[in-house]
Amino acid sequence: QQQVKQSPQSLIVQKGGISIINCAYENTAFDYFPWYQQFPGKGPALLIAIRPDVSEKKEGRFTISLNKSAKQFSLHIMDSQPGDSATYFCAASRGNFNKFYFGSGTKLNVKP
Amino acid sequence: DAGVIQSPRHEVTEMGQEVTLRCKPISGHDYLFWYRQTMMRGLELLIYFNNNVPIDDSGMPEDRFSAKMPNASFSTLKIQPSEPRDSAVYFCASSLVAGDGGEQYFGPGTRLTVT
Repeated sequence: QQQVKQSPQSLIVQKGGISIINCAYENTAFDYFPWYQQFPGKGPALLIAIRPDVSEKKEGRFTISLNKSAKQFSLHIMDSQPGDSATYFCAASRGNFNKFYFGSGTKLNVKP
Repeated sequence: DAGVIQSPRHEVTEMGQEVTLRCKPISGHDYLFWYRQTMMRGLELLIYFNNNVPIDDSGMPEDRFSAKMPNASFSTLKIQPSEPRDSAVYFCASSLVAGDGGEQYFGPGTRLTVT
């Protein structure tokens, strides 16, 4: 059973546009929601993360939005750039457990 | 810091052979994770250790897979015997603390091909 469902599987956005990736979860005990970015041939790297005490967190052009009642969270990339082209993974974990449940990934292609 | 180090970066082997993947976590990190990444199944957690002790191995697909962490600076993931369906990229990651704030630092991965 997939604990975190991610969509879309792939995304094409024009330079300067907004990229939006969505994730949904079932376990209400989840309380930490990171997003990882992976470039080809590299391991995933933490991009941004959010806890349930806030509904939104912004770092530069990247924003996470969390809707606890709907059990959904999303990543918005504003002013998308070709350098943002990568695979993005959402994840969730709970409490002091370090086990991350990853989504299936979204391959983003930002066209110049 | 050199980050998480994995070796080899690429491994090609024949079905039935033993494969050993190696990982050196970031110094001082107490947690070590092994993941497998495939197109079909995405990123799957296989097993993770805390202070060299296996905590959760529920993701290990079957008895052909085994993982050890003999000391704080070294871990291995062994597949014996290997099968074509084991072909994937295997990542090792480490983190300093548990849960919230426990950013996992991934290594570059080992691309395994079993023919």
